[in-house]
Amino acid sequence: KQEVTQIPAALSVPEGENLVLNCSFTDSAIYNLQWFRQDPGKGLTSLLLIQSSQREQTSGRLNASLDKSSGRSTLYIAASQPGDSATYLCAVDSQYSGGGADGLTFGKGTHLIIQP
Amino acid sequence: EAQVTQNPRYLITVTGKKLTVTCSQNMNHEYMSWYRQDPGLGLRQIYYSMNVEVTDKGDVPEGYKVSRKEKRNFPLILESPSPNQTSLYFCASSLEGYYNEQFFGPGTRLTVL
Repeated sequence: KQEVTQIPAALSVPEGENLVLNCSFTDSAIYNLQWFRQDPGKGLTSLLLIQSSQREQTSGRLNASLDKSSGRSTLYIAASQPGDSATYLCAVDSQYSGGGADGLTFGKGTHLIIQP
Repeated sequence: EAQVTQNPRYLITVTGKKLTVTCSQNMNHEYMSWYRQDPGLGLRQIYYSMNVEVTDKGDVPEGYKVSRKEKRNFPLILESPSPNQTSLYFCASSLEGYYNEQFFGPGTRLTVL
């Protein structure tokens, strides 16, 4: 069964720093990997979607990479701002979810605080 | 505006009182699903639907029912809620399920006393 791990669980950095969030998954048979942002008490906002055939995707100050063979993805945030403070979730859409289940398998998230 | 909506956003109820959480999307998506989010456990899929009249169990379906009579709606039904169903619930949709970006609703915070 697919398992997704995110490291670190929490991160606090000063404003302006570049930072990297890590995501690893156990089964490389995936359709895609998606990064989400979740603000306290709110829903999930999709940030980037990487198809299994792609190596990276970029949106503004965000860059996500995917190494399917090693089961890893990173989310790079450039020039961090206080407004980037949120929980970042990684999720994979597996080809074989197991147990009859379908859909995304989520990591538990990285809680990010950007200090002004 | 393309979106997934859920109602209610907040609900406090008592054990055994049947309730329905509605989910609706206006993007003509075929695939819809329900997740629950719990501290320390993350998001787990409850049920999903590949299309109208096609539904199937996710990782944690016990105590829940769903129906998909129309493409845009996918209600989550708790026939006899129990305190262990206190959670934050999210509905999601995507064009076809695989390869496609998933869009999430704003969440429904349910408390069962």
